[in-house]
This record gives sequence, C-alpha cells and structure tokens, in this order.
Amino acid sequence: GAVVSQHPSWVICKSGTSVKIECRSLDFQATTMFWYRQFPKQSLMLMATSNEGSKATYEQGVEKDKFLINHASLTLSTLTVTSAHPEDSSFYICSASGGAGATYNEQFFGPGTRLTVL
Amino acid sequence: KQEVTQIPAALSVPEGENLVLNCSFTDSAIYNLQWFRQDPGKGLTSLLLIQSSQREQTSGRLNASLDKSSGRSTLYIAASQPGDSATYLCAVLGNQFYFGTGTSLTVIP
Repeated sequence: GAVVSQHPSWVICKSGTSVKIECRSLDFQATTMFWYRQFPKQSLMLMATSNEGSKATYEQGVEKDKFLINHASLTLSTLTVTSAHPEDSSFYICSASGGAGATYNEQFFGPGTRLTVL
Repeated sequence: KQEVTQIPAALSVPEGENLVLNCSFTDSAIYNLQWFRQDPGKGLTSLLLIQSSQREQTSGRLNASLDKSSGRSTLYIAASQPGDSATYLCAVLGNQFYFGTGTSLTVIP
C-alpha cells in the first residue's frame, strides 16, 4: 500500500521559535494532502487541505498565518508552526490522497509528529 | 503491529433504518478509539471519541461503544438519512494512529 512519512516524529522547541513538519508520499504522487491536529484526550481535527501548486484551504478557527502550509510538489507538503507557544503542543498528522491505482478519496496517513513547546 | 478491520466494507440501506458498523482491532493497548466520517474529496470529520477507560459515547443519532478487552467497537446510527451517506472510518491511537479500512454507507431515499 501507499506509504506516507512524516519528519520529525517528535520535536521539542522553545516558545517563540518556528517548527517545520514534513509530510512525504513515498511511492505515489499526492494531489491532495490534509493536515490534522489532536490535542490530548480530544478528537483528531482537520486543520487544512492543500492541493499541489495552490494555496491551502484552512478550516474555521485555524490561523493561516500561524500554520503555514506549503505543497510545492506532488510528494511533499510542509506545515510550519510559526512563533510556537505551549498551547500549540499537540500531535500533528498528515494524510495524502491521489496517485495511480488509489481508490478515489482514499487517504493514506502519516505516523504523526508530536510537538512539545516549552 | 496493530491491525484495524471494519466490517462490512460497504452497506446500503433504505432511509429510516437503524444500522451498525463494526470495527475490530488486534492490540488492546490503546489510548482511545475514534469514529470519523469522510465525504468525497473532503478531510475526515470526527464523529465520536471514546477514551480507553470509557465504554460508550453518544452524539445525536450516533452511539459508539468500546469493548477494549475483546478489541471491538460498534457505531450505531439510528433512523438513517440520505445525508448519512459517506465512508466511515474508525481509528485507534496507540503509539501512533491506526486506521480501519472503512465502511462505505449508502442510504437510499
């Protein structure tokens, strides 16, 4: 099956710094990538949808200037948490869809990135 | 490695029927289990979250149960409507997310 990787899997940073998380589709071209966030004991929540070569569509309540998403190629999307604060500490997950042979709408999920902001 | 299976893979029911979707997982060491809905071309929408210490959660016409010891969860949808047509996914959180294979639901008017 299709494989999606995320890097890093775990990151600790100081408040005020920026953190970049990469999401890669390893064996297929992802026309669409989704970014999710999960706070402790809460549901996985969709943050934004990005299509290759165009601006991301953010869900209501998600600050686009704080969570910068770039989907510059069909195999890579990045999420940058700018000026991170402790309340941004969360589990971030990406998923990718598309590629030859994939079931329409089928999403393949990365393993997630745990961000801790001190 | 955790394996999550959903049965049936596809389901078609007439409007108004009550229905049950099943999810099973092989490793009971989980933090929580979630049920999601996926509409065509959209990201996942969270429906219900059950913590590992809980046995069920309810939201409107939806009720989800969790039997961690047997590795099973069910999603009960009461009085189904055409708008419920979507793919339903369950996912368990261990050291990472493990998603089920999904059930494609069609509610016929």
